Amino acid sequence: AQSVTQLDSQVPVFEEAPVELRCNYSSSVSVYLFWYVQYPNQGLQLLLKYLSGSTLVKGINGFEAEFNKSQTSFHLRKPSVHISDTAEYFCAVSWNSGGYQKVTFGTGTKLQVIP
Amino acid sequence: DTAVSQTPKYLVTQMGNDKSIKCEQNLGHDTMYWYKQDSKKFLKIMFSYNNKELIINETVPNRFSPKSPDKAHLNLHINSLELGDSAVYFCASSPGQGRTTGELFFGEGSRLTVL
Repeated sequence: AQSVTQLDSQVPVFEEAPVELRCNYSSSVSVYLFWYVQYPNQGLQLLLKYLSGSTLVKGINGFEAEFNKSQTSFHLRKPSVHISDTAEYFCAVSWNSGGYQKVTFGTGTKLQVIP
Repeated sequence: DTAVSQTPKYLVTQMGNDKSIKCEQNLGHDTMYWYKQDSKKFLKIMFSYNNKELIINETVPNRFSPKSPDKAHLNLHINSLELGDSAVYFCASSPGQGRTTGELFFGEGSRLTVL
């Protein structure tokens, strides 16, 4: 079975400092990888995704993530965070099962940007 | 125009009552989902429909009954509400079988509070 681990449930960081949110996955089949962001009282929206090709993926709002197959990781980074980045971040994997794409999410990491 | 819209956004009701949540997407997607997000922000898939056909039915009490009148709509009816049903319910959609990477498009959520 496929699984996603987000080890950090909360990450406090000062404004304008860099941040890394960690995501590790476990899978016996080929997967696609995603990061979603959930702002307070809103739905999830896609930040970025890795499907194939370059292992460094750039997303919206200055975020990027690097796919590392050997370490089965897909960590999310931003060089300088802003107060508006305060949100919950979810890592997810999808895989094909019986012709349908199945998705599983990590437990989320709350990014708290401190002014 | 909102891509995936849910109504109502908030629901407060008494134990034992029955309630429904409606979802509509205008993205032309074939697949729609219901997710439950608990107080710890954990996201759990409940149901998925592909072109009106039920394809995912996770371990969910029989009190929950999804219905898809057409591929653009997915409703969720809950009978005999219990305290543990309090959560945020998210509708999501994806392009569909053979056309998707597993990327999900979420609605804003429906916050259900059972008193």
